[in-house]
Amino acid sequence: NAGVTQTPKFQVLKTGQSMTLQCAQDMNHEYMSWYRQDPGMGLRLIHYSVGAGITDQGEVPNGYNVSRSTTEDFPLRLLSAAPSQTSVYFCASSYTGGAFFGQGTRLTVV
Amino acid sequence: GEDVEQSLFLSVREGDSSVINCTYTDSSSTYLYWYKQEPGAGLQLLTYIFSNMDMKQDQRLTVLLNKKDKHLSLRIADTQTGDSAIYFCADPMMDSSYKLIFGSGTRLLVRP
Repeated sequence: NAGVTQTPKFQVLKTGQSMTLQCAQDMNHEYMSWYRQDPGMGLRLIHYSVGAGITDQGEVPNGYNVSRSTTEDFPLRLLSAAPSQTSVYFCASSYTGGAFFGQGTRLTVV
Repeated sequence: GEDVEQSLFLSVREGDSSVINCTYTDSSSTYLYWYKQEPGAGLQLLTYIFSNMDMKQDQRLTVLLNKKDKHLSLRIADTQTGDSAIYFCADPMMDSSYKLIFGSGTRLLVRP
């Protein structure tokens, strides 16, 4: 019962570096999304996808790119990391009864 | 814009009941959700309620929905130390039932 798997769990980047946060789900859900969690602010939607080949922006998309080539995978790319992107990132896979979340990636940009 | 608000902190004694409150602005949602987050972990779906229900009970959990006041509450009976966590209320956005707006979370501390 893997559910939603995120890698890595922790990452430290230097300003200007790029990286990809990986997310995979094995529940065959069409809808997947990325959120970031900052202290006192709950979770905010970065990007989402309603199926393979279809992505769209959420509330805070600047500085992030996504793609969805398969139903299972939904990677999040930071092209040029900035300290403001220090956060905990959660990937979610959804159906009408709710969303299943990965364990999160704690990212620090120095 | 759409918004979800929660109080930030609740402290209760073990064995007492806990009530976590939430208010939301979008009244068109079919479902409303409660999630639990333990330290260092992701969010776990606790329960949800259909918008045409006033109450849902699931073992120690009771969800109350007041659509007129746009108020949602989560009651935990016989609160245990293992219930200490952050609880999030979530409301789907108007344009998609899959896009969630989260409250800032209520940190529940259960004292022995």
